[in-house]
Amino acid sequence: AQKVTQAQTEISVVEKEDVTLDCVYETRDTTYYLFWYKQPPSGELVFLIRRNSFDEQNEISGRYSWNFQKSTSSFNFTITASQVVDSAVYFCALSAPLTQGGSEKLVFGKGMKLTVNP
Amino acid sequence: DVKVTQSSRYLVKRTGEKVFLECVQDMDHENMFWYRQDPGLGLRLIYFSYDVKMKEKGDIPEGYSVSREKKERFSLILESASTNQTSMYLCASRITGTGGHQPQHFGDGTRLSIL
Repeated sequence: AQKVTQAQTEISVVEKEDVTLDCVYETRDTTYYLFWYKQPPSGELVFLIRRNSFDEQNEISGRYSWNFQKSTSSFNFTITASQVVDSAVYFCALSAPLTQGGSEKLVFGKGMKLTVNP
Repeated sequence: DVKVTQSSRYLVKRTGEKVFLECVQDMDHENMFWYRQDPGLGLRLIYFSYDVKMKEKGDIPEGYSVSREKKERFSLILESASTNQTSMYLCASRITGTGGHQPQHFGDGTRLSIL
């Protein structure tokens, strides 16, 4: 069965520090996708990135970067020069097949609460 | 931008009541989802609909049912609410797309309390 582990439950940093959020996944599928979502205090989950299992290139988007390593089944997320607005709960997720409609669902990790203090 | 709207941000109901949570999306997405979010458990899938009148049970469907009569609307129904259904409920939608695995877009959530 698919599983996503976010070992850190809560991290607190001071503004401008770099912070890395770990994500380890388990799957027997050869084709799968990984996702990161951000949930600010307002409650809505915001999609950040999608990565497929055949693309191991790291990605950078502004202060955000993602490191996908298939060999260690990890998809880690780094925020550089953190800001107070980065305070949120972050979820890593893995796609898993559904039985009908040829579609798939997301299996979420338990989330990691990041607090960035001024 | 995709807009997923949940009818209530906060809802308080009594044990045994029939409760309806409504979700509407404005992007003509085929797929819609209902999750519940609990501290320490993350998000868990309750039900999924891959098209109008089509539904599939998720990981925790017990005590819930769903309705999808129109493409834009997906309703979650608590047949007889119980205190262990107190939770944050999140609705999501997604286009099917070529190759699947498209990102899901979420509403703001409904925080439901059952007294």
